[in-house]
Amino acid sequence: KQEVTQIPAALSVPEGENLVLNCSFTDSAIYNLQWFRQDPGKGLTSLLLIQSSQREQTSGRLNASLDKSSGRSTLYIAASQPGDSATYLCAVRGQGAQKLVFGQGTRLTINP
Amino acid sequence: NAGVTQTPKFQVLKTGQSMTLQCAQDMNHNSMYWYRQDPGMGLRLIYYSASEGTTDKGEVPNGYNVSRLNKREFSLRLESAAPSQTSVYFCASIWGGGAGLAGGNQPQHFGDGTRLSIL
Repeated sequence: KQEVTQIPAALSVPEGENLVLNCSFTDSAIYNLQWFRQDPGKGLTSLLLIQSSQREQTSGRLNASLDKSSGRSTLYIAASQPGDSATYLCAVRGQGAQKLVFGQGTRLTINP
Repeated sequence: NAGVTQTPKFQVLKTGQSMTLQCAQDMNHNSMYWYRQDPGMGLRLIYYSASEGTTDKGEVPNGYNVSRLNKREFSLRLESAAPSQTSVYFCASIWGGGAGLAGGNQPQHFGDGTRLSIL
């Protein structure tokens, strides 16, 4: 059974810092991995999707990497801003699977 | 663009009451999903529909039923609500079918959720 873990559960950093969020998964036979952002009281917004054959994806100040063999993904946020404050979730989709398995998220606070 | 629309946004029920949560997407997506989100538990899949006319159980289906009314709409029904079903419910959709099929590497789109309290 696939399990996805995100550590830490919460992170607080000053504005302008570069930061890394971590995601680990137990079964390396994944089809893809997604990073989502969730604002309070809102649904999830997809940030980046990495296919199993890819090593990384970039969108603006965000860069997500994938190392299947070690069961890890990281989300790098450059030059953090207060507007980046949200909960970030990673989710993996297994080979042949319909569903996503989610981590519990990292609640990020960027302090002005 | 509306995307995925859920109704209602909030609901309070008494134990034993029934209700249906509605979800509609306007992106011509094939697959639709219902999740629940609880503190400390993350998102857990309740039911999904890989295509119009099909539904399958997810991780936590007990106490729920679903209907894929047409390609756009996927409803979740609580027949006899219990306090343990107090949660935030999210509907999601994706264009493609299962992993390995066309569109399998498309991101899921989520609605804003229904906050359900059962007293």
